Amino acid sequence: ETGVTQSPTHLIKTRGQQVTLRCSSQSGHNTVSWYQQALGQGPQFIFQYYREEENGRGNFPPRFSGLQFPNYSSELNVNALELDDSALYLCASSPRLAQNEQFFGPGTRLTVL
Amino acid sequence: RKEVEQDPGPFNVPEGATVAFNCTYSNSASQSFFWYRQDCRKEPKLLMSVYSSGNEDGRFTAQLNRASQYISLLIRDSKLSDSATYLCVVNSNSGYALNFGKGTSLLVTP
Repeated sequence: ETGVTQSPTHLIKTRGQQVTLRCSSQSGHNTVSWYQQALGQGPQFIFQYYREEENGRGNFPPRFSGLQFPNYSSELNVNALELDDSALYLCASSPRLAQNEQFFGPGTRLTVL
Repeated sequence: RKEVEQDPGPFNVPEGATVAFNCTYSNSASQSFFWYRQDCRKEPKLLMSVYSSGNEDGRFTAQLNRASQYISLLIRDSKLSDSATYLCVVNSNSGYALNFGKGTSLLVTP
C-alpha cells in the first residue's frame, strides 16, 4: 500500500510569488486535507477536498486555494506569498469523508524570503 | 482560548521513567480524540486514538475525561526512541478538520 506522497520536499520563494504544492493520497483514500505547520506550532487546518469539491475551510485567506483531481490527488496553491507563509505544508488523506483518522505525507517545507 | 491546549514542555526524563502528558480541549461537542507523534522535521504519525473507556497499547495508555474535557497520555518504561513531540488532537465542530495542540516535547536521556 502506497502512503501519502508530497512534492516538492523543499521550496524557496520570494514575497509576492505564487507556489503550487502537490499531494498524492494513500491508495483507497478519497479525502484530502491540507495543514500549515509553522515552527513551534501544531498543524493548522487549511481546507479539505472530497470528490473534487472543497468540503471545509479553516481560517486562511482566499489566496490559499486548492484542487482535487479525479484520481484523488490534490494541489495547494498560494498566491502573493508573504514571509509568514514560511512553514511546513502537510497533506493528509483519509479513506472517506468525515473519517477522523488522517494519515500525513512527509510535507513540503516552504521558505519565503 | 485555544481549542486544544498542551504543556509544551520540554519533559526531560531518564530511560525507564514513566511520564504523563495532559491536554484540555474547549469544544464539548468533540467526538474524536487522538495522540499523534511527530519526530523532528517529520510528519505527524498517529500514535493512538483515545476512547471514553480509555485504551492501552503496549507501554502507552490514553485516557479521556469528557466531563473535564481533558485527555492524557501515559508512557511507561520510556525508551530513547520515545523522544519526540506528542500532539494532542481533537476533531472540530464540523467533524472534518483536526485541531492540534502545539505539542509537548519529550526527551528521554540515557
